[in-house]
Amino acid sequence: TQLLEQSPQFLSIQEGENLTVYCNSSSVFSSLQWYRQEPGEGPVLLVTVVTGGEVKKLKRLTFQFGDARKDSSLHITAAQPGDTGLYLCAVNQAGTALIFGKGTTLSVSS
Amino acid sequence: GAGVSQSPSNKVTEKGKDVELRCDPISGHTALYWYRQSLGQGLEFLIYFQGNSAPDKSGLPSDRFSAERTGGSVSTLTIQRTQQEDSAVYLCASSFTGGPGDTQYFGPGTRLTVL
Repeated sequence: TQLLEQSPQFLSIQEGENLTVYCNSSSVFSSLQWYRQEPGEGPVLLVTVVTGGEVKKLKRLTFQFGDARKDSSLHITAAQPGDTGLYLCAVNQAGTALIFGKGTTLSVSS
Repeated sequence: GAGVSQSPSNKVTEKGKDVELRCDPISGHTALYWYRQSLGQGLEFLIYFQGNSAPDKSGLPSDRFSAERTGGSVSTLTIQRTQQEDSAVYLCASSFTGGPGDTQYFGPGTRLTVL
């Protein structure tokens, strides 16, 4: 059983569209992280959410942590080709290693 | 360099051969992590180093996998008697202290293909 379930698995959209991807679990977390990974590169941390209900914005990206701290969403406004990549959510469950979801592969075409 | 570096970037080997993958963490980072990324399983933790010690080896999939870190810096992941299911991208990450709130910085990975 996967600790973090991400959906959708794949998303292909046109430039300018809005989208939301989800990261869900039945467990409660003290914090949750979102990463973006481009081909041939390692994941890069985008944001860490800590407080239930918290909303963080990073330019056109909006991250929300669920009130119960079991789930999170990432919303992208007016997607651009540069947003293309694999979006991963992760938690630090044991204090050291990160546990990742399987990710959402986003493709934005112009 | 400024970031985490890994070598080689690509490695093709034959089933049954041994391979060594290298990771150079960010200077001054005491914590170092190895992860494996494969199509079916996603990104999975392998082993964590704090200094030269490995307090968490729980992710190593079999005794064919081992890792060491010397001088609190460079780490080598060794896979003995490689199998086709070992084919994956092996990612290394480092962080300043290894605490739960510490940001992990990832290298570009080594793509291993076992024929």
